Amino acid sequence: EDKVVQSPLSLVVHEGDTVTLNCSYEVTNFRSLLWYKQEKKAPTFLFMLTSSGIEKKSGRLSSILDKKELFSILNITATQTGDSAIYLCAPYLISNFGNEKLTFGTGTRLTIIP
Amino acid sequence: DAGVIQSPRHEVTEMGQEVTLRCKPISGHNSLFWYRQTMMRGLELLIYFNNNVPIDDSGMPEDRFSAKMPNASFSTLKIQPSEPRDSAVYFCASRPGPAGYTFGSGTRLTVV
Repeated sequence: EDKVVQSPLSLVVHEGDTVTLNCSYEVTNFRSLLWYKQEKKAPTFLFMLTSSGIEKKSGRLSSILDKKELFSILNITATQTGDSAIYLCAPYLISNFGNEKLTFGTGTRLTIIP
Repeated sequence: DAGVIQSPRHEVTEMGQEVTLRCKPISGHNSLFWYRQTMMRGLELLIYFNNNVPIDDSGMPEDRFSAKMPNASFSTLKIQPSEPRDSAVYFCASRPGPAGYTFGSGTRLTVV
């Protein structure tokens, strides 16, 4: 059975701090890994990682994938209150039959204190 | 682009009643996904369609759940009869290709 574990489950930091969110996975038919940010409503796309060791950056957010050790991290520097959200990682899988699946972890709830 | 549109936003119903959730994907997106989110289990894939055809429904919890996609611009997820344990937020997502899922705002279902 596919397994996605995110840690920590919950994190509370002060504005300006840097945080690292972790995602480890044990899945079959892995193709890529996606990170999403979920505030009050729908998850919104952050990154898609396909290759190991290549950092993706978007402003204060960055992410990297290690396909050998089966994990990914999401870093947020100089955190702001607007970064408060649940961060979800999701391996993207395609079976031999062509069936695809985005398997989500339970997420890390990040709270930024002003 | 209006994004993925779901209705209703909130639904409160009594146990045993039929519930129908609706989704309009982004025009041109050929794949549509139904997810369910709970505190205990996170986001779980229920079913997905490719070009209006159901491809994988292995995530549908039981026969009380059914989903249809009669055309490229509309899908429904039906629960009959509903039970309290079905209470969750149900998301619909669509995408044009291998990645780039766009989620709707979800339907919060409460079964009492």
